[in-house]
Amino acid sequence: DTAVSQTPKYLVTQMGNDKSIKCEQNLGHDTMYWYKQDSKKFLKIMFSYNNKELIINETVPNRFSPKSPDKAHLNLHINSLELGDSAVYFCASSQDGQGGLNEQFFGPGTRLTVL
Amino acid sequence: SQKIEQNSEALNIQEGKTATLTCNYTNYSPAYLQWYRQDPGRGPVFLLLIRENEKEKRKERLKVTFDTTLKQSLFHITASQPADSATYLCALESDSWGKLQFGAGTQVVVTP
Repeated sequence: DTAVSQTPKYLVTQMGNDKSIKCEQNLGHDTMYWYKQDSKKFLKIMFSYNNKELIINETVPNRFSPKSPDKAHLNLHINSLELGDSAVYFCASSQDGQGGLNEQFFGPGTRLTVL
Repeated sequence: SQKIEQNSEALNIQEGKTATLTCNYTNYSPAYLQWYRQDPGRGPVFLLLIRENEKEKRKERLKVTFDTTLKQSLFHITASQPADSATYLCALESDSWGKLQFGAGTQVVVTP
C-alpha cells in the first residue's frame, strides 16, 4: 500500500493553462504539505494543512491554491501556468504539525513541465 | 536570513569506507534536525532525527551528530555500500510551527 500517493506523476502543459495535482495519504496523519523542488534540487515548502486548516503559507504566487477536502487529501491547483512553474512538486504528511519533531513521509512527486 | 549549507560537490567513496557529510547552518536555533535520503526520481525518505540536547544518534550503519555551538551536524555512513548511493538532505526546524527548511543535499556515490 502506498502511504502517500500523488497523481499525476508527469504533467506536461502549455503556458497559461490551469492544472491540478492530487495527493492522498493513508497513514492517518493530521498534517500534509506541498513542496517544490526546482532544477537545483532545493526542496522548498509551499503550504501545510493541519486537519484541513491552512497552517503554513509561504511566499507563493496566488496562482497556487491548495485545497484540503479532508485530512487525508491535499490538492494543489495552479492557475495561468508559467515557464518558471516547471519543477517537481512533492506532497508529504506527518503525524502532526510539529514538523521538526515528526518525520515527514513524502509522495513520489509530480514532474510538471510548462511549455 | 536563515541558511543551510551542505557540500554541493558529490562525495565519491569506495565501498567499505565511511562517508561523512556536513550540514552547517546560520541564523538558526533549531531544536531538531533531520536527515533524509533521496534517490533519483523519488521523494525524500526520512532517516534520522536528532534533538538539540542529543550529541549523537545512531541507526544501523548511520550516525548523526549535532553540535549547536558549531551550528553543525555530521552524518556518517559506515561500511558504505553501493546501495547507499543517493542524495542526502539535512532539514532543520524553522521558526514556524511545522516548518522544515531543507539543505540542497549532498550526492554520495559508492563504488565497488
